[in-house]
Amino acid sequence: DAKTTQPNSMESNEEEPVHLPCNHSTISGTDYIHWYRQLPSQGPEYVIHGLTSNVNNRMASLAIAEDRKSSTLILHRATLRDAAVYYCILRGGFGNEKLTFGTGTRLTIIP
Amino acid sequence: EAGVAQSPRYKIIEKRQSVAFWCNPISGHATLYWYQQILGQGPKLLIQFQNNGVVDDSQLPKDRFSAERLKGVDSTLKIQPAKLEDSAVYLCASSSSRDAYNSPLHFGNGTRLTVT
Repeated sequence: DAKTTQPNSMESNEEEPVHLPCNHSTISGTDYIHWYRQLPSQGPEYVIHGLTSNVNNRMASLAIAEDRKSSTLILHRATLRDAAVYYCILRGGFGNEKLTFGTGTRLTIIP
Repeated sequence: EAGVAQSPRYKIIEKRQSVAFWCNPISGHATLYWYQQILGQGPKLLIQFQNNGVVDDSQLPKDRFSAERLKGVDSTLKIQPAKLEDSAVYLCASSSSRDAYNSPLHFGNGTRLTVT
């Protein structure tokens, strides 16, 4: 499975944007970049995913580097409810769609 | 839509006892997953079902763990006999089969197992 590298932890002030980085230098052409987050005492929750182009949804934006070797999850205005562990995961296509979690980035929001 | 339902929410057993967890996926989701999450780690896939067939069970400790998905809907995961290192949260997830690598997984809130 292709690997991702994320910082262990990050802090951000409430109501400010948050940029969560992810490196995936061994990504293959058919790998999608998925982001999940896990709030305390809950199961992981899907956030966003993309292949090549930047993506936006109601939760976040995903910025993908042109060479696809890195990506950034952007929370536009962090709230206390965004405090969670964020996982960046590569998910292959064509029978290789297993979701393999790493240890993620623990995001702390400072009031 | 109703989410993935899991029960029980918590379970405490002694080592060498057996335990079973139940999962009801989102209606119409053909793919079902069981993950194990040890404290401080990311979830680890144990087994993946497509309808009632096993797609991937390469990381399932088959000497003590078993899982079934009768009729392609509900699923149960069993541990017999339990060991101390099985203490973890067991998460069930489901997804639509259509365009599999694009379909997000929907997780339940898990069953926290403590083995003493």
